[in-house]
Amino acid sequence: IAGITQAPTSQILAAGRRMTLRCTQDMRHNAMYWYRQDLGLGLRLIHYSNTAGTTGKGEVPDGYSVSRANTDDFPLTLASAVPSQTSVYFCASSDSRDRPRFFGPGTRLTVL
Amino acid sequence: DAKTTQPTSMDCAEGRAANLPCNHSTISGNEYVYWYRQIHSQGPQYIIHGLKNNETNEMASLIITEDRKSSTLILPHATLRDTAVYYCIVRVAEGAQKLVFGQGTRLTINP
Repeated sequence: IAGITQAPTSQILAAGRRMTLRCTQDMRHNAMYWYRQDLGLGLRLIHYSNTAGTTGKGEVPDGYSVSRANTDDFPLTLASAVPSQTSVYFCASSDSRDRPRFFGPGTRLTVL
Repeated sequence: DAKTTQPTSMDCAEGRAANLPCNHSTISGNEYVYWYRQIHSQGPQYIIHGLKNNETNEMASLIITEDRKSSTLILPHATLRDTAVYYCIVRVAEGAQKLVFGQGTRLTINP
């Protein structure tokens, strides 16, 4: 693989279910990010990680959790999905803390 | 973070230079100007960034006015594949975790 991969590509989920969105990068970037994109609201940062073992909250962290056990993977978990979490989710990575450099293809999540 | 203002939409003919303006009149001395774009149904793509000097890379040029209150992203020879939403963002260098994407400019390249 080259760059960032996300899985699944899309998912329909019942409210209340637990869901983990996967993100993997092979560029050995230290910084990784999760954004959600909703019509009319642009991209909003959910969580970020500046390096393996550390994470931080972004603009809209409620209802989401992340972990960064290693450099390559940065999964995003919805513990109990709600319809307002219906969105397109983008993972990003960077070799610099000043900007997300590469974005994944996105995961389209629908919570019913 | 300083607020940015961009036109909602623009059109440009294929092969011509596309000039995308961005106003950031409240920018402070340590804030950078970043540009990203997002092609339909794809993830965003970093284009370029700068502080006060003009910058150029393989994708585009960034012209920042001397007072830094506005900037212009230039795509020198626009192609149909440059049709996308372009985001101008102003932020201090440290703290990309708070990079805020607004509504951007929808650029349409016409054949």
